[in-house]
Amino acid sequence: QKEVEQNSGPLSVPEGAIASLNCTYSDRGSQSFFWYRQYSGKSPELIMFIYSNGDKEDGRFTAQLNKASQYVSLLIRDSQPSDSATYLCAVNTVTGGFKTIFGAGTRLFVKA
Amino acid sequence: DGGITQSPKYLFRKEGQNVTLSCEQNLNHDAMYWYRQDPGQGLRLIYYSQIVNDFQKGDIAEGYSVSREKKESFPLTVTSAQKNPTAFYLCASRKGLAGDNYEQYFGPGTRLTVT
Repeated sequence: QKEVEQNSGPLSVPEGAIASLNCTYSDRGSQSFFWYRQYSGKSPELIMFIYSNGDKEDGRFTAQLNKASQYVSLLIRDSQPSDSATYLCAVNTVTGGFKTIFGAGTRLFVKA
Repeated sequence: DGGITQSPKYLFRKEGQNVTLSCEQNLNHDAMYWYRQDPGQGLRLIYYSQIVNDFQKGDIAEGYSVSREKKESFPLTVTSAQKNPTAFYLCASRKGLAGDNYEQYFGPGTRLTVT
């Protein structure tokens, strides 16, 4: 089992719809969780972080964390073509030494 | 402006040559990282450093070397021993030490092509 798993996609949604991106992780001791957006040929940029169970909203983005289910998600409301990118889930793990593990990413296409 | 710089943006080398990728940060971050990304793949950790003059191997350190003589700088050398060096190389930094919840910030990346 991979330490951080994401559906590679591509996930295709129409403009204005809600895009839902999911991520599961294996280390129950993980404390902090991050979502990065990466445009083709560019470096990842942080868009959200979450530490506590529940929802965290920032503009059109909502991160959701469920530590019991070892699941973190990112919702993008009112999706725009400019949201088309690869979204990377990252988890700070503690087992085996503190480190950040990145998922392989989910490609999102927003159709105009 | 505070940030992470990587140079050059594109780098071309002949097989068998060593090449050094530059990474500089003026964020006063303690930890620095090097990742490799292949097309359609996630990030794989090459080396990381949490303090000056100390660094640890990541998951794919073979064929690479690093140094951390200054807090601001963490250059990566891709040696001729690296069997498939063509990739997108990303440098990142993070404030705080192991166990903190801080996020990593990435430089713009260097795309290395070896022929």
